[in-house]
Amino acid sequence: GQQLNQSPQSMFIQEGEDVSMNCTSSSIFNTWLWYKQDPGEGPVLLIALYKAGELTSNGRLTAQFGITRKDSFLNISASIPSDVGIYFCAARLIQGAQKLVFGQGTRLTINP
Amino acid sequence: DGGITQSPKYLFRKEGQNVTLSCEQNLNHDAMYWYRQDPGQGLRLIYYSQIVNDFQKGDIAEGYSVSREKKESFPLTVTSAQKNPTAFYLCASNPHRVNTEAFFGQGTRLTVV
Repeated sequence: GQQLNQSPQSMFIQEGEDVSMNCTSSSIFNTWLWYKQDPGEGPVLLIALYKAGELTSNGRLTAQFGITRKDSFLNISASIPSDVGIYFCAARLIQGAQKLVFGQGTRLTINP
Repeated sequence: DGGITQSPKYLFRKEGQNVTLSCEQNLNHDAMYWYRQDPGQGLRLIYYSQIVNDFQKGDIAEGYSVSREKKESFPLTVTSAQKNPTAFYLCASNPHRVNTEAFFGQGTRLTVV
């Protein structure tokens, strides 16, 4: 089945640094999503991307839908302590089917 | 406030027992989903329902069962046939319209001993 390869698996950074993570796949998708999950909680949607090449920002977060439809990246600028958590990419092949494939997650740890 | 509620937050069961996890939403969403999350892994789809009285198997449905008798409710039963039931279970709902994304509940951590 379709799989998303998310990297890196974990990141340890200093407060104020920029962060970059990405997801790749051998399959083509029509939607890419980025979620953040705090410990013991459900994921919260950060950014949704619906068009190849689309670049979307949400505050300090920026994400792009790769032009090949097989990848996406998420950047976080000027990290702050509340950015700590696990970030997941997710992708959907068919609009309306609503079945998502998830990456393995990137665990972000920030040293103050 | 509108939202999606999972209960309980933590659940302990003895091996061999069936257990039912609750998921309720008051968002008037048509579609509901159950995911399983294991440490260091992404979410995997167990079952989903796009309309009342109808549901489909996801990628890892074996050992699980669901029902969708009401729009607001989508309970998941973890049966004794599930070989490795200890996990974090997440329920989600979605209006099932184009370019609308799912809201997740806070999850239930099931531990089978």
